[in-house]
Amino acid sequence: AQSVTQLDSQVPVFEEAPVELRCNYSSSVSVYLFWYVQYPNQGLQLLLKYLSGSTLVKGINGFEAEFNKSQTSFHLRKPSVHISDTAEYFCAVSPRDDMRFGAGTRLTVKP
Amino acid sequence: DAGVIQSPRHEVTEMGQEVTLRCKPISGHNSLFWYRQTMMRGLELLIYFNNNVPIDDSGMPEDRFSAKMPNASFSTLKIQPSEPRDSAVYFCASSTGVSGANVLTFGAGSRLTVL
Repeated sequence: AQSVTQLDSQVPVFEEAPVELRCNYSSSVSVYLFWYVQYPNQGLQLLLKYLSGSTLVKGINGFEAEFNKSQTSFHLRKPSVHISDTAEYFCAVSPRDDMRFGAGTRLTVKP
Repeated sequence: DAGVIQSPRHEVTEMGQEVTLRCKPISGHNSLFWYRQTMMRGLELLIYFNNNVPIDDSGMPEDRFSAKMPNASFSTLKIQPSEPRDSAVYFCASSTGVSGANVLTFGAGSRLTVL
């Protein structure tokens, strides 16, 4: 079975500061990894995905994530956040076609 | 494309009533997923279909919950009878193919409140 652990439930940060949202996964098979973002009262939207190849993946809105197989991690980073990045962020793992999500990290960007 | 369409967006009902949530996936997508989101349990996969066939319903909490997909463009999630602990946001999502590499496209969700 696979599982996803998001290590921080809430991350407050000031505008223009860097941010890292942490995600660890466990799986007995190779998996695909995703980060989704949920803005208030909306469904989830894809930020980025890792399928294979380069371990550094770039997504939308200036976000990137690095796949680390030895540490089974897929942390999300952004060098400089904006107020508009305030949202809930979900890490997800998908070995087959049933995607499993972490509990989410609420990113709050303060002015 | 209009995306994944869910209805109703909000539903308030009383305990014991039947609730039916509806979903129209993106045309051409052949996998459909139902998720439930609560503060306590986060985002839970309830059931998913591939080519209108239920593949895994192990996430359905109990027999009060049922889901159907009679054709490629429509799915329902039914709760009968409803209970206050069923209050949550229910999301439908669709994707192409059966590979785990496929991206899910989510609907805006149906917020259910059971009094």
